[in-house]
Amino acid sequence: KQEVTQIPAALSVPEGENLVLNCSFTDSAIYNLQWFRQDPGKGLTSLLLIQSSQREQTSGRLNASLDKSSGRSTLYIAASQPGDSATYLCAAITQGGSEKLVFGKGTKLTVNP
Amino acid sequence: NAGVTQTPKFQVLKTGQSMTLQCAQDMNHEYMSWYRQDPGMGLRLIHYSVGAGITDQGEVPNGYNVSRSTTEDFPLRLLSAAPSQTSVYFCASSYSNRGHNSPLHFGNGTRLTVT
Repeated sequence: KQEVTQIPAALSVPEGENLVLNCSFTDSAIYNLQWFRQDPGKGLTSLLLIQSSQREQTSGRLNASLDKSSGRSTLYIAASQPGDSATYLCAAITQGGSEKLVFGKGTKLTVNP
Repeated sequence: NAGVTQTPKFQVLKTGQSMTLQCAQDMNHEYMSWYRQDPGMGLRLIHYSVGAGITDQGEVPNGYNVSRSTTEDFPLRLLSAAPSQTSVYFCASSYSNRGHNSPLHFGNGTRLTVT
C-alpha cells in the first residue's frame, strides 16, 4: 500500500529565503507525482506534475524534482514571498490496481515579511 | 471556464438526515472523485468514477453513495448523516484516472457539520 509522507508538518521562514519541501513515498512504481497548494478555506490548486519518466518540472519560482529510486520528491521555492504562505501537499498515483492518488498530509508554510 | 463547481459551500445536518453534495465540471474530464479532509487525517478518497456509468469505492466509502449519469456531474449522497461525517468534502476531476500528464482539478469544497 502506497504511503506518502511530508516532513516537516510546518515551516516558517523569512521573506526572500530559498526553501525546500520534502515528500517521500514507499512504492516507487508511480505514474506521476503531483504538488498542490491549499489556501485556508479553499480547495487544492495543482502546481506541478512530474511524470515517472521525468526528473523535474519547473514553473516560475517553483521547481519540483523526482527520484523514484529513493522514493523522494522535493519542491524548491526560490525567493519566497508572503503570498507563498499556504499548505503544500504532494500526491502520488501508483501503477496497477485502481491507480488512486495518495496524498501526504502536507507542509504548512509561513513566509514572514 | 468554471472548472469544478461544488454546491453548497456550507451545510448543517442533523443526525439521520440525508442530503446530496453536488459536483459539476465543464472540462470534459473522464475521471471524477470525492475526498474528505479531516484534521490530522489528510485527504481520503471516498468514491471515484472513470467515466459515465462507472463508479468505484475509495478508501472510506461507507455511508456514501455516488452515481455518474453524465460526464459533467458526480453527486455524493449521504444516506443517513452521522457526526463522524462532519468534514470538508472536495470534488476533483482530471482528464484521465491514469493521470500520466493529467493534473487533478479541485472544487472549493463543502464544509459539512452533522449535529
